Amino acid sequence: EAQVTQNPRYLITVTGKKLTVTCSQNMNHEYMSWYRQDPGLGLRQIYYSMNVEVTDKGDVPEGYKVSRKEKRNFPLILESPSPNQTSLYFCASTPTGYNSPLHFGNGTRLTVT
Amino acid sequence: GNSVTQMEGPVTLSEEAFLTINCTYTATGYPSLFWYVQYPGEGLQLLLKATKADDKGSNKGFEATYRKETTSFHLEKGSVQVSDSAVYFCALSTNNAGNMLTFGGGTRLMVKP
Repeated sequence: EAQVTQNPRYLITVTGKKLTVTCSQNMNHEYMSWYRQDPGLGLRQIYYSMNVEVTDKGDVPEGYKVSRKEKRNFPLILESPSPNQTSLYFCASTPTGYNSPLHFGNGTRLTVT
Repeated sequence: GNSVTQMEGPVTLSEEAFLTINCTYTATGYPSLFWYVQYPGEGLQLLLKATKADDKGSNKGFEATYRKETTSFHLEKGSVQVSDSAVYFCALSTNNAGNMLTFGGGTRLMVKP
């Protein structure tokens, strides 16, 4: 089954403790992206990657890192999480082309205390 | 820059009522327009899309027409069901922004039996 898999689904952590949210897709898509969803703000893009070893900042990249060493994986790294990063995070992928719809994972709900 | 504005919710309707969720946009270039739907506890799924002016996207009884003159992409359904209860997001992408989607804030729809 074609899918985007994120882990974990839920994560509670404390300020400053490094964490990684994994994302994997099995559709051989070139493009992958991370979004955060906050009430009333819709989804805002954090980082995206057009292909292996090619990443770029989205609208809200501060406090986040990503890497794209393999085509299928695109982990999101929070080196020193802060409470304002409490949010619902989504990974998405698509073949290249701006008309292509995104395929989303089921989300990771992160709480930073 | 690109932006999407959609009506705030929640929208509460009785089953079989007519639905309209308004969406307007500003964009540089020639955007493609999308409606995504998010069911509770899940990621976003593409509902429909339109890639050029006057195109009508349709799926599962939902429709939206790309109106360039009014920069709008309103979502409509003639007869809603309880199972349509979800959050709906209007979004756009342009060929000068890679695959980056710009989302509206989302509209929660609640349909009562």
